Amino acid sequence: AQKVTQAQTEISVVEKEDVTLDCVYETRDTTYYLFWYKQPPSGELVFLIRRNSFDEQNEISGRYSWNFQKSTSSFNFTITASQVVDSAVYFCALSEGSGGSNYKLTFGKGTLLTVNP
Amino acid sequence: KAGVTQTPRYLIKTRGQQVTLSCSPISGHRSVSWYQQTPGQGLQFLFEYFSETQRNKGNFPGRFSGRQFSNSRSEMNVSTLELGDSALYLCASSLGVLAGSYEQYFGPGTRLTVT
Repeated sequence: AQKVTQAQTEISVVEKEDVTLDCVYETRDTTYYLFWYKQPPSGELVFLIRRNSFDEQNEISGRYSWNFQKSTSSFNFTITASQVVDSAVYFCALSEGSGGSNYKLTFGKGTLLTVNP
Repeated sequence: KAGVTQTPRYLIKTRGQQVTLSCSPISGHRSVSWYQQTPGQGLQFLFEYFSETQRNKGNFPGRFSGRQFSNSRSEMNVSTLELGDSALYLCASSLGVLAGSYEQYFGPGTRLTVT
């Protein structure tokens, strides 16, 4: 069974600090997808990144970067020079196929990030 | 391009009643998925529809059902409401079937309160 663990329930930082959100996943499939979503106070989840299990390249998008390590089953998310607008709940999610046909998205419990001015 | 829309945004119902929530996906998206979000259980997958067919289902009782129309709009229905059904219900659309393998675009949600 697939599982996503976000051990950090809440993180509080001061603006301009770097912050890393941890995500550890469990899966028996060799083909799977990992995602990060952001949920600001408005409630609407916003897609940030999708990564498949065969692509371990790290990715950088502006102030955001992601570190995917299959050896430790982790897919961590770093925000550089955090800003107040980054305050939100961040969810890591995993999708694996059961018998190669149905992909179900499993979310972690989320990490509430508060960036203080 | 308009995003995913959900109606109504807020709903208050009484235990035992039934409720229908509506979701209109992004134009061109044929897959619609539904999720329940509660403080205790977090985000949980309910079901996914593609081309009017349910393709995938989460671990929810039969009181939760859904359907998709030919224009890709989707509805979900909860019958015999229980207090524990109080939650934010999120709809998401994506381009392809097997939505879990694609990025999904979420609507603002319907906040259901059962009293």
